[in-house]
Amino acid sequence: DAGITQSPRHKVTETGTPVTLRCHQTENHRYMYWYRQDPGHGLRLIHYSYGVKDTDKGEVSDGYSVSRSKTEDFLLTLESATSSQTSVYFCAISSKSNTEAFFGQGTRLTVV
Amino acid sequence: GESVGLHLPTLSVQEGDNSIINCAYSNSASDYFIWYKQESGKGPQFIIDIRSNMDKRQGQRVTVLLNKTVKHLSLQIAATQPGDSAVYFCAENRWGSQGNLIFGKGTKLSVKP
Repeated sequence: DAGITQSPRHKVTETGTPVTLRCHQTENHRYMYWYRQDPGHGLRLIHYSYGVKDTDKGEVSDGYSVSRSKTEDFLLTLESATSSQTSVYFCAISSKSNTEAFFGQGTRLTVV
Repeated sequence: GESVGLHLPTLSVQEGDNSIINCAYSNSASDYFIWYKQESGKGPQFIIDIRSNMDKRQGQRVTVLLNKTVKHLSLQIAATQPGDSAVYFCAENRWGSQGNLIFGKGTKLSVKP
């Protein structure tokens, strides 16, 4: 998976608790992305980063925040998890803005 | 496995036949397109891409066709094999959008032995 590691792979959490998902890459790629995948919606962009400390919102950013303090790590935080955030979360990386993105294996998050 | 296949268009083909998966994209400013394959429980896997200055691009057993006039993309898989069974997504990228890919809903390909 192009040197991308997502952790944890599975998590069950309670409504209202904070959750942080981690994406780690060994490719030294500039761009990193967080997507969520839900039945009937395909993959939707939550947040992305175009460099260390440079991040921006995607299509479905409400309820999520991100941080990128170093090139290899991109963290996605749910400040107060809700049931609507139950989903499969994918991290992706790319070396340039207009080239293919490579995806991690995904994190299945269940909010109960 | 993943339940990404719910309510998806499904294409069922016989092993050895050719498959054609279609995709309509939305933004006439999109200039880069990718096809991904996603197997159950895994992340999307890059198959092939094409830029807007091309109409056709071939890979190993796969061909992507781009019709910018009607904003249509297709993926052709030759001699489809059981290992090709998966959900296929097209994605579009607009120059200057920081690489944000916009994904289609996906098509589930089932290959009958």
